[in-house]
Order: sequence, then structure tokens, then C-alpha cells
Amino acid sequence: KNQVEQSPQSLIILEGKNCTLQCNYTVSPFSNLRWYKQDTGRGPVSLTIMTFSENTKSNGRYTATLDADTKQSSLHITASQLSDSASYICVALTGANNLFFGTGTRLTVIP
Amino acid sequence: NAGVTQTPKFQVLKTGQSMTLQCAQDMNHEYMSWYRQDPGMGLRLIHYSVGAGITDQGEVPNGYNVSRSTTEDFPLRLLSAAPSQTSVYFCASSYRTSGRVNEQYFGPGTRLTVT
Repeated sequence: KNQVEQSPQSLIILEGKNCTLQCNYTVSPFSNLRWYKQDTGRGPVSLTIMTFSENTKSNGRYTATLDADTKQSSLHITASQLSDSASYICVALTGANNLFFGTGTRLTVIP
Repeated sequence: NAGVTQTPKFQVLKTGQSMTLQCAQDMNHEYMSWYRQDPGMGLRLIHYSVGAGITDQGEVPNGYNVSRSTTEDFPLRLLSAAPSQTSVYFCASSYRTSGRVNEQYFGPGTRLTVT
């Protein structure tokens, strides 16, 4: 069954700290893995897109990693800011252009 | 460049009423899609279009119709609203490269409540 699972469901961290969000996917055939940030009341915004041949990709303080062998991805946020408070959604794209969305990790950064 | 726009932002309907959610993009994207987002669930694809005049069903198409008469516009019609259609609806668009869906740009969403 094609699916994407994210952990943790929610996370609270202090401003300035780092954190890592996890994503496990089981989609076939796998094409690429995407991370989106969704602020409350807004649409998702793309952070990174990685194909199976890419191990890591950065976007400012956001760094995504991909292990296509274990079908795991992570999103690392460095030196968190209050504006990082959002839901982070992992999405896997299959070769047939089907997108499978995770339920997201709700991150809260507190001062 | 407005990106992807959606109207209305909020809507309350009574069971059985019909309405159209509007979506427009000004990026000349071929691929457009509609999703619904419900608490505790990932976004689910309702309908999508790979170009003007071409539409297809997604994961949860029942109760919804779409059309794509122009590249820019992709309206979603609720034929007879039901409480189960209470949700937040997102429209998205993207280029396609070698048939592959590229980075998707999402609209701000329409929050629909059906009573």
C-alpha cells in the first residue's frame, strides 16, 4: 500500500534550538520526495524536492535528507525561529505522477 | 504575478446547495489540481487537469465536478453539498517536465462548512 508516515505528530522546541522531523514512505515506483511548510490558515509552500539520486538538499536553515534504500527522509531545522512554527508535510511522488501526502508534523517554536 | 488565487476564502452552505470554488493561476502552468484537507489526514486529491480541456479524477472525486476551459482557470463545483464535504479546499498548479509534475504552488485555500 502506498503511504507516507511522519513523526512526531507534534513537537515543541525553544527558539534557537535545532530539530529533526522524520518521514517514512512506501510508494512504488518512487520518483521524488518533497517537503512543504504550511503556516496556519495558508496553503503549503515547497521547501525541497529530492529525487532518488539525491541524499541531501538545503534551503536556508532547512536541510532535507533522503535514504532511498530505507525509504526514509528527514527535515532538519537549524537555529529555529518563531516563524518556523508551522506544519511540515512530507510528500512522495510516484513514477505515475501520483502524490502521497503525509499528515504532517506540527512544530511550535516558543521563545 | 499573483500566483494561485482562490475565492471565496470562507463559505457556509446548507445541505443540498450547490456552489463553485474558483481557482486561477497566472504562471501558465499546465497542471492544476484540487485537494481537500481534513483534520488528521493528508491532503487528498479530488480532481486534476494536465491542460485545457483535459480533466481526470483523483482519490475522492464523488460529489465534485471540474472543467478546464482555459489554462488559467480550474473551478471546482459542488453539485449538492453534504456535511461530509466540510473541509478546507486547496487548488495547486505546476509545470510538467517530461511528464513529471514539478514543484506545486498552492493557493491560500477555501474553508467550506456545510450545515
